[in-house]
Amino acid sequence: DAGITQSPRYKITETGRQVTLMCHQTWSHSYMFWYRQDLGHGLRLIYYSAAADITDKGEVPDGYVVSRSKTENFPLTLESATRSQTSVYFCASREIAGTMSYTFGSGTRLTVV
Amino acid sequence: QQPVQSPQAVILREGEDAVINCSSSKALYSVHWYRQKHGEAPVFLMILLKGGEQKGHEKISASFNEKKQQSSLYLTASQLSYSGTYFCGTGEGSSNTGKLIFGQGTTLQVKP
Repeated sequence: DAGITQSPRYKITETGRQVTLMCHQTWSHSYMFWYRQDLGHGLRLIYYSAAADITDKGEVPDGYVVSRSKTENFPLTLESATRSQTSVYFCASREIAGTMSYTFGSGTRLTVV
Repeated sequence: QQPVQSPQAVILREGEDAVINCSSSKALYSVHWYRQKHGEAPVFLMILLKGGEQKGHEKISASFNEKKQQSSLYLTASQLSYSGTYFCGTGEGSSNTGKLIFGQGTTLQVKP
């Protein structure tokens, strides 16, 4: 299916475990992003990538790791999950030119217990 | 630093107008506006670039004052479907760096 997909949709994990959230887009967009959404904070940028093998930190990168070996995939890993990382995580992609609009995935609701 | 949106929440009756403001402490290249329905992903509304051009989308329009680092979203004759949370996303700097920093959101509720 064309578009941007995130998996899993819901995830419950225990404190201290490593967990990876997946993001896949079919448009070959250069830019990809990870945001977390918490009540009262809106959307906060965790990491972003301008192209394969190029990543950079956003506003709240601590405790997260990303990689981008292929243009279409941008996984986000929580190395050792903490309760403060309970959130809804959105992946997004955009063209390098054109409208420059972001298209968001459906989100992953992560609960750390 | 996140841009600041105001108001945080607004309740309207159908047909009324609303203005949502977005203010940044940094120089901006662009401002995006998105709407998010409960339980869904944010959806793109419009983008404004340096130059102050006002954009429109049906009864929703926006302006961008780059000198003041501010943008406003205008919702005219609101409809029930306008309900949701509105986010501004700012592209900082003098050129397109690709990333957006979002405000905390403004919740809009339109009642019959």
